[in-house]
Amino acid sequence: GAGVSQSPSNKVTEKGKDVELRCDPISGHTALYWYRQSLGQGLEFLIYFQGNSAPDKSGLPSDRFSAERTGGSVSTLTIQRTQQEDSAVYLCASSLVAVDQPQHFGDGTRLSIL
Amino acid sequence: SQQGEEDPQALSIQEGENATMNCSYKTSINNLQWYRQNSGRGLVHLILIRSNEREKHSGRLRVTLDTSKKSSSLLITASRAADTASYFCEGIGGSNYKLTFGKGTLLTVNP
Repeated sequence: GAGVSQSPSNKVTEKGKDVELRCDPISGHTALYWYRQSLGQGLEFLIYFQGNSAPDKSGLPSDRFSAERTGGSVSTLTIQRTQQEDSAVYLCASSLVAVDQPQHFGDGTRLSIL
Repeated sequence: SQQGEEDPQALSIQEGENATMNCSYKTSINNLQWYRQNSGRGLVHLILIRSNEREKHSGRLRVTLDTSKKSSSLLITASRAADTASYFCEGIGGSNYKLTFGKGTLLTVNP
């Protein structure tokens, strides 16, 4: 079946604008994760959804960041009033059930804030 | 904070040689996973080793885990140019199931 799909693949926007990034996990995967990767850096955990439980938002860097997961499937990561330091690749992953299952990653959204 | 720290940050070898990368972590984990990332792409899961395992093999990959030293190593044997990528370790554990990656090791295999 299809892998994790993210859209858009690239997004360029002006500072101060809001952006929405979308993640379509693998069908049947109940766990969904968002990460941020700045140039030449490792992955920074942002947020984690597991089934219908309240998400673990502990990694969100500021209150400008929020994420939703509707119907236990598609997720959107929203960044309000973007800043230049938000420029990064945003990666989404899903796994079958629990945190300790292998994660399957999408190709990411490359976000550039001008 | 970063839990996994890979070492070295960069490694350049000739095709056919073995490559060894290390990962250290700070707090207890339930398991540790290794991933590879080709430039500009998402991560691909390589291997998972649980805290009660000491060694695991998958093809040309060999992973060890030493929980007393809070470290893991990834060995790629008989390397190929196609192994050129960044390799990341991820420690998962703790009551909050923190998911943290290191900055990765950039492996270059020269043909």
